Amino acid sequence: AQSVAQPEDQVNVAEGNPLTVKCTYSVSGNPYLFWYVQYPNRGLQFLLKYITGDNLVKGSYGFEAEFNKSQTSFHLKKPSALVSDSALYFCAVRRGGGFKTIFGAGTRLFVKA
Amino acid sequence: GAGVSQTPSNKVTEKGKYVELRCDPISGHTALYWYRQSLGQGPEFLIYFQGTGAADDSGLPNDRFFAVRPEGSVSTLKIQRTERGDSAVYLCASSSAGELFFGEGSRLTVL
Repeated sequence: AQSVAQPEDQVNVAEGNPLTVKCTYSVSGNPYLFWYVQYPNRGLQFLLKYITGDNLVKGSYGFEAEFNKSQTSFHLKKPSALVSDSALYFCAVRRGGGFKTIFGAGTRLFVKA
Repeated sequence: GAGVSQTPSNKVTEKGKYVELRCDPISGHTALYWYRQSLGQGPEFLIYFQGTGAADDSGLPNDRFFAVRPEGSVSTLKIQRTERGDSAVYLCASSSAGELFFGEGSRLTVL
């Protein structure tokens, strides 16, 4: 069975500071890992993914994430947060070769000016 | 269309009624997913189609829920004898192989 844990309901950061949103996963076999963002009253938008290759992946809006196999983690990061980054962020996992994608409960990011 | 389209965007119904929610995926995407999202929660997997067939329906909560995709494109999620607990946003997504592309969702309210 696949599962995703986002241990923080909310992350607060000041504009210009680095941000990290945490994610750990459980899946049999090789994981495909994803981050999505949801703005108020909008659908989910894809940010970035890890399928294979370099453990550090870069995505939209300056976000990046690091795959750590030994810690089964895929934390989302950004070097300098913007107020406009405030949103709900979801981590998701799929078993390699499969299609069923499971989402975490989400982490709300607040960036204060 | 350019993106995933879901209709209706909002649906209010009474307990016990039948509801249909429609999803029009991105053209050419063979995979189609339905999720349910309650307030403050992450998307909950319901069912996944590959082409016309339901490849995985393990997330459907009970036999009141059913989904079809007869021609491998548009899909309809059908809910019979609706209950107040069915109130949620129902999200549809399509994919060609990697990431999912989501629609704006259909907000269902059961009174």
